[in-house]
Amino acid sequence: NAGVTQTPKFQVLKTGQSMTLQCAQDMNHEYMSWYRQDPGMGLRLIHYSVGAGITDQGEVPNGYNVSRSTTEDFPLRLLSAAPSQTSVYFCASSYKWDSEVYFGPGTRLTVT
Amino acid sequence: KQEVTQIPAALSVPEGENLVLNCSFTDSAIYNLQWFRQDPGKGLTSLLLIQSSQREQTSGRLNASLDKSSGRSTLYIAASQPGDSATYLCAVFDSWGKLQFGAGTQVVVTP
Repeated sequence: NAGVTQTPKFQVLKTGQSMTLQCAQDMNHEYMSWYRQDPGMGLRLIHYSVGAGITDQGEVPNGYNVSRSTTEDFPLRLLSAAPSQTSVYFCASSYKWDSEVYFGPGTRLTVT
Repeated sequence: KQEVTQIPAALSVPEGENLVLNCSFTDSAIYNLQWFRQDPGKGLTSLLLIQSSQREQTSGRLNASLDKSSGRSTLYIAASQPGDSATYLCAVFDSWGKLQFGAGTQVVVTP
């Protein structure tokens, strides 16, 4: 198993650009989520999904969009990048909502 | 709102000493609690998951306890090694698996 994979590893965007961070898992996990990690703020939940076709907002959803058309994939879209979205983004998955959570390697995003 | 605190923020110990890392949370109505390790520039690696009905979980040199009534969990790492140097994070499970993280304890084990 590859586990949770994320692409790209690094990305630089200009303010106003849009992009999609990719996340995939091959463990047949129902639950997937996106977190951002910032110095002094820790890890915060952006969006999560309890299964294909079902998504909901986390603590900091503004400026981000998600969809879950398959069990394996959970992309995160930045609609119009802002410098405040400079962060490290982690995708995570688990078999059920209360099972052990596995994280991807992260995407380091810089918005100039 | 659930708040998760980890004290100390940083810890330095000589090799061979036991490590004791603390995690406290304000709302005892949690489901599960998970401990992670994060190396610089890397993702989070799962160490232990403690179910809400458990008091303790062990894996090798690692032992984690959970006391929901007092809002505390402790991670013990026996006979520390330089390879244990990392940041250790605890996370409590709110409803629907949303994790609330502590800020972490940065550990340095000196040879």
